[in-house]
Amino acid sequence: EVQLVESGGALVQPGRSLRLSCAASGFSFSSYWMAWVRQAPGKGLEWVANIKQDGSLDHYLDSVRGRFTVSRDNAKNSLYLQMDSLRAEDTAVYYCVRDDTHTFNKIYYDAFDFWGRGTRVTVSS
Amino acid sequence: AIQMTQSPSSLSASVGDSVTITCRASQGIRNELGWYQQKPGKAPELLIYAASSLQTGVPSRFSGSGSGTDFSLTISGLQPEDFATYYCLQDYNYPRTFGQGTKVEIK
Repeated sequence: EVQLVESGGALVQPGRSLRLSCAASGFSFSSYWMAWVRQAPGKGLEWVANIKQDGSLDHYLDSVRGRFTVSRDNAKNSLYLQMDSLRAEDTAVYYCVRDDTHTFNKIYYDAFDFWGRGTRVTVSS
Repeated sequence: AIQMTQSPSSLSASVGDSVTITCRASQGIRNELGWYQQKPGKAPELLIYAASSLQTGVPSRFSGSGSGTDFSLTISGLQPEDFATYYCLQDYNYPRTFGQGTKVEIK
């Protein structure tokens, strides 16, 4: 059974740092792109970042680039999100997501097929 | 960033109705679009990827169509468990962007 379990969420002051973790099990973690998606209270979904299977490539939402760093440890089946210089607008539930990329006619399609339950980050003084 | 605009923002429907939700991209995205369902307090679930490919295990009453800038999700014969919020997501380029969501409520 595929499981994604996030941890590390907390109440932090603006400008501080936090590191989220996601423990993956039930699948070959090193074979998948992974992503973080967040949801502010009462708001919609927002893609944050993703990382390639071997960690050699990543992408970020413009508003977090330079402040957040996504990484992974395939030996530990774990995904991370280092969040620095946190702002009030980063307050959200953060979901760890598996991307089961499909390929048709040389086009790669995302398929976020498994999601964790999320971990809550609150940035407030 | 590509903007994804869903309509309507909310709708009321009865069990057994057919409903269609639309999603418009601010530029062409071929068919690189997915649809997700989210129930209150739960993580989203994948329904459709590549605009029209049904995810394994998702009931066949869900269908997706479209290409370029205009896409739709149709639920044929609403069931009680389908009352939820639905999001489209473009995966044509970075950053990935979601629509604002469409809440399907019971009439």
